[in-house]
Amino acid sequence: EAGVTQFPSHSVIEKGQTVTLRCDPISGHDNLYWYRRVMGKEIKFLLHFVKESKQDESGMPNNRFLAERTGGTYSTLKVQPAELEDSGVYFCASSRTQGMTEAFFGQGTRLTVV
Amino acid sequence: GDSVTQMEGPVTLSEEAFLTINCTYTATGYPSLFWYVQYPGEGLQLLLKATKADDKGSNKGFEATYRKETTSFHLEKGSVQVSDSAVYFCALIDGTSGTYKYIFGTGTRLKVLA
Repeated sequence: EAGVTQFPSHSVIEKGQTVTLRCDPISGHDNLYWYRRVMGKEIKFLLHFVKESKQDESGMPNNRFLAERTGGTYSTLKVQPAELEDSGVYFCASSRTQGMTEAFFGQGTRLTVV
Repeated sequence: GDSVTQMEGPVTLSEEAFLTINCTYTATGYPSLFWYVQYPGEGLQLLLKATKADDKGSNKGFEATYRKETTSFHLEKGSVQVSDSAVYFCALIDGTSGTYKYIFGTGTRLKVLA
């Protein structure tokens, strides 16, 4: 069974540009999460999809961030326009069910805004 | 709100030394507790978990016991190896608010020297 896949693994962009991150969850996992770790700090929740619907987007920092999950399969996270403080590692995770069970994480996308 | 506090790193140990990484939490309800590990160049992997008080999670020689009275979930290993060098994250899921998202600590970097 393939794990959670994220693309790209690294991205370096200039301030003001747009970047789109992609996450392919484990097949059959309805729940998809985005998290972010800013340098040296805790990993913070961004949002949660159940299939194609946003269940919880309370962690999205501002309206420069747009997440989609068309068709309930893969998800994209777009940052437009990117700012310096958006630099960090963006993790995607998926799980089959909601609840107090573990999710499976991807390897992360390291985003550097210069 | 819920939170997780981990000991500051980095932690540097010699091979075969005893490891303890402290983790304490604050939660409204009765969370599930997790330790995740991120090896260099890889994603987050679940190391172990515990779902209720006095449960002990264990894996790869690592152990952690869910202590409700001290709200702690300290990670221990009797004899570390160079291959254990990684960043370790303590985390909880508390579904009291109706959402099931991880709350992570800041991570503790472990370096094991041969």
